[in-house]
Amino acid sequence: RKEVEQDPGPFNVPEGATVAFNCTYSNSASQSFFWYRQDCRKEPKLLMSVYSSGNEDGRFTAQLNRASQYISLLIRDSKLSDSATYLCVVFASGSARQLTFGSGTQLTVLP
Amino acid sequence: DAGVIQSPRHEVTEMGQEVTLRCKPISGHDYLFWYRQTMMRGLELLIYFNNNVPIDDSGMPEDRFSAKMPNASFSTLKIQPSEPRDSAVYFCASSQTSGDGNEQFFGPGTRLTVL
Repeated sequence: RKEVEQDPGPFNVPEGATVAFNCTYSNSASQSFFWYRQDCRKEPKLLMSVYSSGNEDGRFTAQLNRASQYISLLIRDSKLSDSATYLCVVFASGSARQLTFGSGTQLTVLP
Repeated sequence: DAGVIQSPRHEVTEMGQEVTLRCKPISGHDYLFWYRQTMMRGLELLIYFNNNVPIDDSGMPEDRFSAKMPNASFSTLKIQPSEPRDSAVYFCASSQTSGDGNEQFFGPGTRLTVL
């Protein structure tokens, strides 16, 4: 079993739609969680951290459920510019600055 | 800051040739990571350094791969001899211990094709 598993995708949604991505992690010692975004043929970049209480950044909402070892990302009112691959990322104690990346979920927002 | 700098951006070589990828981390960052990304395997950590010292190289696929960090502003990843299955995008990333130390900043990557 992979340490971090994501919806395989791809997700093709119309502009203005709401879309949700899910992610599960296997290491119960994981302590920090993130969503990274990777545009086509570009490098990954941090989108947002995920906090236990849930957090919002504009149209993006991230949720964490430690009991179920589950992370989600909700994008509201999707824009064409949201088209990218979204990577679920986990940091576990004892691994120094080593992050574990999920394989990513591809999103295409259609006009 | 210019961000993480990698060179070359693209490399096409023939099987058996030596390939050297270069990385300059963000100034002040004390962690440096080398990743490989393919469609089949996603983003894989190859090796990472802390204060120029290799900490974990368990992700290095085999002895053909080696990495060095002679100083805080430069690292290399070498493949010798290269094979077609090494074709991938190689990313270098850096992070710092203080602040939001878990955020890694990636370079633009080197797209390697081995024929």
